[in-house]
Amino acid sequence: KQEVTQIPAALSVPEGENLVLNCSFTDSAIYNLQWFRQDPGKGLTSLLLIQSSQREQTSGRLNASLDKSSGRSTLYIAASQPGDSATYLCAVRFSGAGSYQLTFGKGTKLSVIP
Amino acid sequence: GAVVSQHPSWVICKSGTSVKIECRSLDFQATTMFWYRQFPKQSLMLMATSNEGSKATYEQGVEKDKFLINHASLTLSTLTVTSAHPEDSSFYICSASFSGTYEQYFGPGTRLTVT
Repeated sequence: KQEVTQIPAALSVPEGENLVLNCSFTDSAIYNLQWFRQDPGKGLTSLLLIQSSQREQTSGRLNASLDKSSGRSTLYIAASQPGDSATYLCAVRFSGAGSYQLTFGKGTKLSVIP
Repeated sequence: GAVVSQHPSWVICKSGTSVKIECRSLDFQATTMFWYRQFPKQSLMLMATSNEGSKATYEQGVEKDKFLINHASLTLSTLTVTSAHPEDSSFYICSASFSGTYEQYFGPGTRLTVT
């Protein structure tokens, strides 16, 4: 079964710290991997999309890496701010599944303390 | 660009009644739409995939007679929860893709509470 796991489930850091969120997936045959942000009671905001041929993507203070062979991705957030507090979801588009289908992890709830 | 809206944003209904949730792509034609359900502290679970003008494809374990999906146009898909029960209370999120791309654009979600 193709699964996506995110560790830790929750993380609390003081403002200004750099942090790393982890995502692992069970099958290295993927089209791409995507990181989302979800605020309480809200929908999803796409942060970064990494194609299977790429190793990393950057947007502002965010950097996502992909190691397909080990089935891992990390989301690095630099100089965290209270506004970064949200749940971060990792989603994988596995090859062989419906080509559009995304499999989500349960997310990491991040709290940045002022 | 690529904005998806949902209506209503939240709804409360009584057990046994039906409720319809709309998902609209505002600035693009959505050839494929997806419906997800999210329980508290759980991941998004895909319920069904629908292509415009075709019957929806439901994921294993999702009752197609209970969760009716209609994708009648390139900008609108609806999810009707029939004979709702308290265990159907959840956060329902839709997403949409347009032809030639695998990326999904997500709506803001609808919170359903069945009393």
